[in-house]
Amino acid sequence: NAGVTQTPKFQVLKTGQSMTLQCAQDMNHEYMSWYRQDPGMGLRLIHYSVGAGITDQGEVPNGYNVSRSTTEDFPLRLLSAAPSQTSVYFCASSRGNDQPQHFGDGTRLSIL
Amino acid sequence: GESVGLHLPTLSVQEGDNSIINCAYSNSASDYFIWYKQESGKGPQFIIDIRSNMDKRQGQRVTVLLNKTVKHLSLQIAATQPGDSAVYFCAENKGSDSGYSTLTFGKGTMLLVSP
Repeated sequence: NAGVTQTPKFQVLKTGQSMTLQCAQDMNHEYMSWYRQDPGMGLRLIHYSVGAGITDQGEVPNGYNVSRSTTEDFPLRLLSAAPSQTSVYFCASSRGNDQPQHFGDGTRLSIL
Repeated sequence: GESVGLHLPTLSVQEGDNSIINCAYSNSASDYFIWYKQESGKGPQFIIDIRSNMDKRQGQRVTVLLNKTVKHLSLQIAATQPGDSAVYFCAENKGSDSGYSTLTFGKGTMLLVSP
């Protein structure tokens, strides 16, 4: 089983550029979420989705957009990258929002 | 504000010792707690979870204890091995304004196991 797959693994952007971080899961999980992890800190929730067509903001949503058109995919969009968005981004999925979340291996994003 | 925190940022133990990693939480309404292990360059890996109607739960070499009176969570690892070296995070599941519960993570404790 592939589990949760994130692409790309690494990315360097210039300030103001846009990009989409991809996340796909093959476990038929309804709940998916995006976190960012900064040095010395835990994971902070950016956006989450409880099913196709339903998304909501987490703790740090500013500068990020999401959509959920299918159960499998939950892309994260940076509309205009800023250096403060340099971080490691993790996608996770679970059967429900009160079930263990399974994480991908992350996308390491640097914004110059 | 609500928070989940850890008492010790780094824990160093000898191989074979038992390890205890502690976590404090402040939201008494949280009803579900999870421990994750994160190795360098990888995503968090689920270890064990516990719901608020339980005080203790055991897995393979791991035990989670929940003390709701003092809002404290701990992870015990028996016979710690070098492969247990990683950062460990506790997380609590609590409700949000939308009505859906979300996970809040602590900052993590690094466990270093010496052979």
